[in-house]
Amino acid sequence: ILNVEQSPQSLHVQEGDSTNFTCSFPSSNFYALHWYRWETAKSPEALFVMTLNGDEKKKGRISATLNTKEGYSYLYIKGSQPEDSATYLCAPKNNTDKLIFGTGTRLQVFP
Amino acid sequence: DTEVTQTPKHLVMGMTNKKSLKCEQHMGHRAMYWYKQKAKKPPELMFVYSYEKLSINESVPSRFSPECPNSSLLNLHLHALQPEDSALYLCASSPRTGATYGYTFGSGTRLTVV
Repeated sequence: ILNVEQSPQSLHVQEGDSTNFTCSFPSSNFYALHWYRWETAKSPEALFVMTLNGDEKKKGRISATLNTKEGYSYLYIKGSQPEDSATYLCAPKNNTDKLIFGTGTRLQVFP
Repeated sequence: DTEVTQTPKHLVMGMTNKKSLKCEQHMGHRAMYWYKQKAKKPPELMFVYSYEKLSINESVPSRFSPECPNSSLLNLHLHALQPEDSALYLCASSPRTGATYGYTFGSGTRLTVV
């Protein structure tokens, strides 16, 4: 069973603040790390799929880094906007084709 | 079409009822997934289909019966459910199974068992 931890559990920031959160996962048998954004009453939306140690990906104001040797990934949001309010889920994948989700970080951005 | 469509959006069923959840995609994806999400918990994997064949069953009780009649359609047949099965059921698809493909999710079916 994959033990996936995300921190913090929730985060409240002001519009314009930059923020980051962490995903920790077992480093053995690692294949990939997915990040998803899930807004209330919508579908989870894929942000990044990362596979290589040291990988950095960027999509607009959101970026992510990956350390497969120590088993963690950071997600950064620069200049948070109210529309960034969502739950951010990470999901590592090992060699069993199972995508196992972490507990999520719930972000609220206040105007 | 870049969506996964799930129907119905909401379902209330009794413990003796039989119902089905439907999931459809027309992106040519050959891997499809069922997840179950309880309140304040992450989605939990239930089943994985690859090329219309069941490849993973996460020890799901037999009262949940998946079916993949063709490459675009995934059903979840429900029978004799318990109140604790009330949850959001999410369907997802990806081009193939494998590490590098992100999933496209539907918006889910909110199931209440009474």
